[in-house]
Amino acid sequence: DVKVTQSSRYLVKRTGEKVFLECVQDMDHENMFWYRQDPGLGLRLIYFSYDVKMKEKGDIPEGYSVSREKKERFSLILESASTNQTSMYLCASSSFGGNQPQHFGDGTRLSIL
Amino acid sequence: LAKTTQPISMDSYEGQEVNITCSHNNIATNDYITWYQQFPSQGPRFIIQGYKTKVTNEVASLFIPADRKSSTLSLPRVSLSDTAVYYCLVGDRMDSSYKLIFGSGTRLLVRP
Repeated sequence: DVKVTQSSRYLVKRTGEKVFLECVQDMDHENMFWYRQDPGLGLRLIYFSYDVKMKEKGDIPEGYSVSREKKERFSLILESASTNQTSMYLCASSSFGGNQPQHFGDGTRLSIL
Repeated sequence: LAKTTQPISMDSYEGQEVNITCSHNNIATNDYITWYQQFPSQGPRFIIQGYKTKVTNEVASLFIPADRKSSTLSLPRVSLSDTAVYYCLVGDRMDSSYKLIFGSGTRLLVRP
């Protein structure tokens, strides 16, 4: 089974802090994704990566950056956290191609105070 | 961009068949339709995927009409444990990259 592991289930940070969310997958997948999930809004794509050091913006990239230095690891960075970034963050991975099923981690619930 | 529309919520009873329809009027020629299930405090889980006609696996069936502008997820004989949010997903290719569009999800409540 594919396993996607997110480093923290719950995280509390303060406004203005730099925040790192880490995600690791163990199936040698080319594609990795970061979403945020908010009540009533479903899942919204922040960034995705189709290869090491490659990234593409999703629907809501503002205020976020990403890093993919190794194939198995995809990091989401909040450069200067703000309260409107309080949310559930979900990482996913899939094999190459736009129609491959995505495998999700269990999420990080991030609170910015 | 392909956009999906689903009912916000549905109610059912144990043992009934449940059909959830997703509308995707602008689906691209090469795109597949994928459904996910999500329980509270968990990430979405892949259920089924199809391109056209009918696909069936051990948990669900997916019906796609010839024009592919909609799809219906069918859950046979639901149980309480099927209470979850169900998402319809349509891939959308733009130039050399692609964006995946999640619908807003359908919250299914199965009652005893």
